[in-house]
Amino acid sequence: GNSVTQMEGPVTLSEEAFLTINCTYTATGYPSLFWYVQYPGEGLQLLLKATKADDKGSNKGFEATYRKETTSFHLEKGSVQVSDSAVYFCALKRGSTLGRLYFGRGTQLTVWP
Amino acid sequence: GAVVSQHPSWVICKSGTSVKIECRSLDFQATTMFWYRQFPKQSLMLMATSNEGSKATYEQGVEKDKFLINHASLTLSTLTVTSAHPEDSSFYICSASGGMNTYEQYFGPGTRLTVT
Repeated sequence: GNSVTQMEGPVTLSEEAFLTINCTYTATGYPSLFWYVQYPGEGLQLLLKATKADDKGSNKGFEATYRKETTSFHLEKGSVQVSDSAVYFCALKRGSTLGRLYFGRGTQLTVWP
Repeated sequence: GAVVSQHPSWVICKSGTSVKIECRSLDFQATTMFWYRQFPKQSLMLMATSNEGSKATYEQGVEKDKFLINHASLTLSTLTVTSAHPEDSSFYICSASGGMNTYEQYFGPGTRLTVT
């Protein structure tokens, strides 16, 4: 079946620290992979995505590389800011067409000044 | 662009009553809408998928008679929780796809339902 396993939080960091949030997946075929971010009181927003192996998604200083050999899509940022405090969700979708998303549990990130 | 709204943002209702949650795509036509449920500290669980003008497709284990979904227009879908019970208390999130980027899903801000 299809599933996403995401590291449990909460994650607490000081400003300018390095961030890694681990995400691994199980899927049939060749899924597309996503990171969504949910700021307090807001809906989920697409942060970045990758649709095939070795693709790197990037946005707002965040990066994640689609690793088929390790079935992973870890989220990284070199220097976090207080404004990055949010809940981050890893997700997969089978193929690149419209279809259901399978979400991880979400990781709460808090960045202190 | 691609804004999705939900109304209300939070609602409290008594056991046994019904409550309706609206999901609107504000600046695009949503051919498909999804309804999710999110428990505290847990993932989003897909409840159902609806296409405009068609009956919703429910995920296994979701009671279609309890969670009524209507997607009557290209900009509006509604979720009605009928005969609500305290265990229905949750965070309900909709997403919509359509417009220029047909395969992208755009999420609403969610509705917090508390059943007393």
